[in-house]
Amino acid sequence: NAGVMQNPRHLVRRRGQEARLRCSPMKGHSHVYWYRQLPEEGLKFMVYLQKENIIDESGMPKERFSAEFPKEGPSILRIQQVVRGDSAAYFCASSPKRDFGYTFGSGTRLTVV
Amino acid sequence: GIQVEQSPPDLILQEGANSTLRCNFSDSVNNLQWFHQNPWGQLINLFYIPSGTKQNGRLSATTVATERYSLLYISSSQTTDSGVYFCAVERGGSARQLTFGSGTQLTVLP
Repeated sequence: NAGVMQNPRHLVRRRGQEARLRCSPMKGHSHVYWYRQLPEEGLKFMVYLQKENIIDESGMPKERFSAEFPKEGPSILRIQQVVRGDSAAYFCASSPKRDFGYTFGSGTRLTVV
Repeated sequence: GIQVEQSPPDLILQEGANSTLRCNFSDSVNNLQWFHQNPWGQLINLFYIPSGTKQNGRLSATTVATERYSLLYISSSQTTDSGVYFCAVERGGSARQLTFGSGTQLTVLP
């Protein structure tokens, strides 16, 4: 079992570019969650998805951020027109069903220069 | 929202020592997990423990849901135990969000 796979591990973008972060959940897990860890802060919930559906996006910034979990392929967190304040570690987690623990990936560290 | 407080914020131990980390939460929960974030930033799931006691090697955890706290015990600490330990909780209901505490920074000295 390969666990939750995130790529890339590190991503550098210039201000104004787009960032795409990928997450493949554990085998058999149909629920995916994205969290963000800003420097010197704890992890904060962003979005909860199931296949082809966004269940809860209450933690997502209103602009520039979007997420999807298509029928085939990984979940994608997309940040358009990145700014320096987007620099953070972005973690993806998955679970097999609702009332079950989460397994986190190793994260993607985004640096905006 | 639910509040999660962890103590102590920082802990320095000599290798071989034992320690107890505490997590208090402000409301009833249906999920509580302990994570270890190692110095490389990886977030490792230690325990899924909404109630009761579990053990895994040198680590064990106890959650007393009725009193809204959880404890993580580390025995015979090793330098590889260094990092930040996070407690995270999830309230019942339709929301599916973990609320993280601010963590305990553990440093184990050789």
